[in-house]
Amino acid sequence: DAGVIQSPRHEVTEMGQEVTLRCKPISGHNSLFWYRQTMMRGLELLIYFNNNVPIDDSGMPEDRFSAKMPNASFSTLKIQPSEPRDSAVYFCASSFPGGGQETQYFGPGTRLLVL
Amino acid sequence: AQTVTQSQPEMSVQEAETVTLSCTYDTSENNYYLFWYKQPPSRQMILVIRQEAYKQQNATENRFSVNFQKAAKSFSLKISDSQLGDTAMYFCAFIAYSGAGSYQLTFGKGTKLSVIP
Repeated sequence: DAGVIQSPRHEVTEMGQEVTLRCKPISGHNSLFWYRQTMMRGLELLIYFNNNVPIDDSGMPEDRFSAKMPNASFSTLKIQPSEPRDSAVYFCASSFPGGGQETQYFGPGTRLLVL
Repeated sequence: AQTVTQSQPEMSVQEAETVTLSCTYDTSENNYYLFWYKQPPSRQMILVIRQEAYKQQNATENRFSVNFQKAAKSFSLKISDSQLGDTAMYFCAFIAYSGAGSYQLTFGKGTKLSVIP
């Protein structure tokens, strides 16, 4: 079975540019999570969706960040405009909650560097 | 709000020896799940082991086992016969599923484990 797929794996961009990160969850999973990992702040939950609906976006740092899930097999995290402090590894994870299936499976991450 | 504390930022162990990583948590929930994730230098987050809070029996996965003490809110990870490939950051995580798609989830800050040849 294919795991969580993220693209791109690496992104280098200049300050002020728009960045779009993509995620395809595991087929059949109905919850999707976006995380950011930095040395300073560790692993932070940004937002999560259940059945394509955003449930909690309180972790989204500011209005420059937005996330969408137009269907069950695709989600995007957009940063516009990007800033150097957005440099981090961004993870997407998916799960099928209920009945003991709360385990989150992580994608390989996108390493973002904003110059 | 729940918290997850990993009190050991770094640890080391000799190859083939046993090491225990500690994790404590605080929550008012009764139904929750605890996890240990491993993050090697590749940065991939890999599930090591999970424990349902309603199960008294400690989870085991090959060389990995947990000591789950619900009353003490402790969830330690024991790695037996440590191997060089176990070198990684280890994260303890807590998830409570509230139903209707609502989660409470928290990750610890991580413990960096080095296995020494």
